[in-house]
Amino acid sequence: GQQLNQSPQSMFIQEGEDVSMNCTSSSIFNTWLWYKQDPGEGPVLLIALYKAGELTSNGRLTAQFGITRKDSFLNISASIPSDVGIYFCAGQGYTGNQFYFGTGTSLTVIP
Amino acid sequence: NAGVTQTPKFQVLKTGQSMTLQCAQDMNHNSMYWYRQDPGMGLRLIYYSASEGTTDKGEVPNGYNVSRLNKREFSLRLESAAPSQTSVYFCAILRGHSYNEQFFGPGTRLTVL
Repeated sequence: GQQLNQSPQSMFIQEGEDVSMNCTSSSIFNTWLWYKQDPGEGPVLLIALYKAGELTSNGRLTAQFGITRKDSFLNISASIPSDVGIYFCAGQGYTGNQFYFGTGTSLTVIP
Repeated sequence: NAGVTQTPKFQVLKTGQSMTLQCAQDMNHNSMYWYRQDPGMGLRLIYYSASEGTTDKGEVPNGYNVSRLNKREFSLRLESAAPSQTSVYFCAILRGHSYNEQFFGPGTRLTVL
């Protein structure tokens, strides 16, 4: 099955720093989604991207849909302790029925 | 969890036992999904259902069966549980802009001894 290449696998940063993570795929996607998962919880949708080149913000989060349709990145500005968690990217294929997930980026914010 | 409920929250089974994981949504959405999540593997699709009465295999369907008897509920059954099925199971629904945003339930944590 297809999985997306997500990097980095883990990050340890100081509170207040900016964070950047990305996902790449060998396939073209119709939609890119970014999720955050807290321990013991289900993934929560942060940002959805629908068009190549689209740049979308949600508070301190900014994500972009790559021009080639094969990649996406997520930036978090001025990180805070509650940003701690695992971040997943997901891509929706053009058939529309299936989503493919990255392996996650574990973020630790040091106060 | 976007109106998606899952039961039970935790379950311990012995090898060979059977059980059904339940998922229900309260928003009348057509598409529902079952994923498993293992450490370092991300989320992998087991089965999905595009509408009531239809189901399709995902990436890892072996050892599982599903049932979508009505629009609201989508169940996942393990007929003979194996230790390799120890995982966290998530149900998801599809909604949003052009119906291409997935929203997840809280998960069921299953251990097979």
